[in-house]
Amino acid sequence: GEDVEQSLFLSVREGDSSVINCTYTDSSSTYLYWYKQEPGAGLQLLTYIFSNMDMKQDQRLTVLLNKKDKHLSLRIADTQTGDSAIYFCAESEQAGTALIFGKGTTLSVSS
Amino acid sequence: DTAVSQTPKYLVTQMGNDKSIKCEQNLGHDTMYWYKQDSKKFLKIMFSYNNKELIINETVPNRFSPKSPDKAHLNLHINSLELGDSAVYFCASSQEGQNTEAFFGQGTRLTVV
Repeated sequence: GEDVEQSLFLSVREGDSSVINCTYTDSSSTYLYWYKQEPGAGLQLLTYIFSNMDMKQDQRLTVLLNKKDKHLSLRIADTQTGDSAIYFCAESEQAGTALIFGKGTTLSVSS
Repeated sequence: DTAVSQTPKYLVTQMGNDKSIKCEQNLGHDTMYWYKQDSKKFLKIMFSYNNKELIINETVPNRFSPKSPDKAHLNLHINSLELGDSAVYFCASSQEGQNTEAFFGQGTRLTVV
């Protein structure tokens, strides 16, 4: 079945760049997403990328997609303490269908 | 206005009880979902439902059942609650076929004692 893998923890210092990696197995994944979950809160969509794109940039966020290797990454530039959260990679085959989530990467930012 | 709202936010109940969690979306979406987030923060789809079909994750016990009184609501009923049902349950909605995100509710933290 489909599977999405992420490393579970990442620690960075404030001001550094963070890179969170994700791999997926479903070659028919069409949409790939990054969600952020702060403690005790719901899920906030950060950004998404279509499988026909290699890169997407949105302010401090850069998403890179290597479709051949089924590898997705999220780079956060100038990481701030407010970026501390769990980051989930997710994929779906079609727009508006159920998401398959990775196990989440807990990002810890120290000042 | 909250796009996807769930009630209650917290629910503490005893083993064996039957409980419901309500979900409403005001986005006009045609598809709604329930996800479960366990104590390790792992998120898994439980159900997806639109007016055409209900898709059930095969790992979900049949004690769980979604009920949709109308397009804007998808409630989650749980019978004979067990300790292992303790989790955070998220409702979400999306519009099938469109390049739009899925909107999530704030979650319901269910604790079975």
